[in-house]
Amino acid sequence: GAVVSQHPSWVICKSGTSVKIECRSLDFQATTMFWYRQFPKQSLMLMATSNEGSKATYEQGVEKDKFLINHASLTLSTLTVTSAHPEDSSFYICSARDSSGGLITDTQYFGPGTRLTVL
Amino acid sequence: QKEVEQDPGPLSVPEGAIVSLNCTYSNSAFQYFMWYRQYSRKGPELLMYTYSSGNKEDGRFTAQVDKSSKYISLFIRDSQPSDSATYLCAMSAQGSARQLTFGSGTQLTVLP
Repeated sequence: GAVVSQHPSWVICKSGTSVKIECRSLDFQATTMFWYRQFPKQSLMLMATSNEGSKATYEQGVEKDKFLINHASLTLSTLTVTSAHPEDSSFYICSARDSSGGLITDTQYFGPGTRLTVL
Repeated sequence: QKEVEQDPGPLSVPEGAIVSLNCTYSNSAFQYFMWYRQYSRKGPELLMYTYSSGNKEDGRFTAQVDKSSKYISLFIRDSQPSDSATYLCAMSAQGSARQLTFGSGTQLTVLP
């Protein structure tokens, strides 16, 4: 099946620093990737939709200047949390859309997540 | 009111039991319904995918959708300790590859 990887799997940083998280589709090309965040014992909340070669679309309430998304290639999207603060500590999960098989198999596959802790 | 409501549990059952997990929703535009399994500190894994109303079976898993009641269910037969995880329902108006709205997840523990 389709595999999506994320790097790093966990990161600890000091308040005020920036952190970059990578999301890669390993065996398919993904024109669309999604970024979610998940707080403990809560569901996934969509942050933004990333389309290759164009600007990301952010959900209401998500600061685009704080959460920078770049989707420069069909296999890589990055999320940069700028000037991170303790309230940004969360589990960040990406997913990638595999539309290569047409409508029947058009679905999204999730990465393993990145746990961010801001001290 | 949330668009998708899901009982968070936790739910504990003995091995071999039939498990019933449910979600209700309010957005009548939802046409695509998914169930994901998420192990601790891992990303969600797609279990079942259903379009519109009806039943779908895959091994020990059965998904049911009742659009008239805005109610979906996932049944797990002959539950195993390896089924212990958080189960998330997800819905979309445009397909499983588009924006998904998730339930809060139900934490399931199957006791050996």
